[in-house]
This record gives sequence, C-alpha cells and structure tokens, in this order.
Amino acid sequence: NAGVTQTPKFRVLKTGQSMTLLCAQDMNHEYMYWYRQDPGMGLRLIHYSVGEGTTAKGEVPDGYNVSRLKKQNFLLGLESAAPSQTSVYFCASSYMGLAGVLYNEQFFGPGTRLTVL
Amino acid sequence: DAKTTQPNSMESNEEEPVHLPCNHSTISGTDYIHWYRQLPSQGPEYVIHGLTSNVNNRMASLAIAEDRKSSTLILHRATLRDAAVYYCILRDRRGSQGNLIFGKGTKLSVKP
Repeated sequence: NAGVTQTPKFRVLKTGQSMTLLCAQDMNHEYMYWYRQDPGMGLRLIHYSVGEGTTAKGEVPDGYNVSRLKKQNFLLGLESAAPSQTSVYFCASSYMGLAGVLYNEQFFGPGTRLTVL
Repeated sequence: DAKTTQPNSMESNEEEPVHLPCNHSTISGTDYIHWYRQLPSQGPEYVIHGLTSNVNNRMASLAIAEDRKSSTLILHRATLRDAAVYYCILRDRRGSQGNLIFGKGTKLSVKP
C-alpha cells in the first residue's frame, strides 16, 4: 500500500497562473480532505469530500476548486494563483468506521510545497 | 468543536518519559480526544484517541482526567524520532465532516 500520495512535491508559480494538485489514496477510503498549512500554524481545511462525486467547502475555500471524479483521487485546483496561496498543502483520507467516521484516524500525504511569486 | 490549550513547546531527554498536557475545559460529552503529531517536513500522523478511559497503543498512552477537562499524552521513552509538533484535537462524534481542527500544538524537542 502506498497510502496517500501527492503530486507534485514542489511547485513555483507566478501570480495568475493555474495549476492542479493531485491526491491519490489506495485504501478505498470514502472521505478525503485538502488542508493548507502556513508557517507556524496548524492545518486549515480547504475542501473535503464524503464520497465520489461530492465535494464541500471547508474553512478557507476561496480561490480553490476541487473535484472527486474517482473514489481514489481528489484534485485541488488553483485557477488564478495569488501570493497568499503560498503554503504547504496536505491531502488526507479516512474511512467510514462501524460507529461513524469520526472515531477513525486520518491518513495524510507528504505534502506539496507551493510558492506563488 | 471545543477548543484545546497546549504549551507552545517542551523539552525532553532521550530515553526519558514525556508528558504532554492538553486542557479542554469546554469539552462536551460527545467529544473524542485525538492526538496527532507532525514530524519535520512531513504530514501529520495519528497517535491515539480516547473518550473517557485511559488508552494505550504501541506509540503512546493517553491519560484522561476524570472530569475530562484535561488529558495527557505520555511517551514512555522518548527517542530522537519523537521530536515533532503534537496536536491535541477534540472531535464531536455527531459531526458528519470528519475533518480535524488543528491548533498550533506543542513542539517537542528531544535532547540526546
């Protein structure tokens, strides 16, 4: 099992450029999440998905879009990158336990370090 | 979700026990207490979670106060690899999103 993988690991963009971050998990998890982490801070939720074809906004969704066309993949898009989106992006996934998803751990990817100039 | 309070940083010596405290005075009866840690330049990883009773696993122990307003993560013998930021997180089991709400955590340094 590869667990949760993220592509790319690093990226530098110019203001106004667009890009897509890919998250893939091979654990057949229903739930997937995108977080961002700024220096010295904890992670903040951008968007999440509770299943294939469904997405929802998190705490800081502005400037981002997501898609979950396949259960194993969760894509995060930046249509017009801004310097404020310079951050480390983490994807995570979790499964639906017998007693409800919140009992169970989340599995995180290694992160994508994005710099917007 | 209710908030948690943790010290910004702690130091430990290698091979000694470490007690990482967390205060959560506004915890509700449906909140589980979760601990995650983040090693340098890595994503967070799950450590342990509990509701009322103390919990043990291969990584750590979780001691929960009787009134549930505080908890302590115990690393029985700290190693250099345990140097990380440790996050104490409350999660309401009634919620449907399942996301984690991270604070700033406690940065643990381990001295050889």
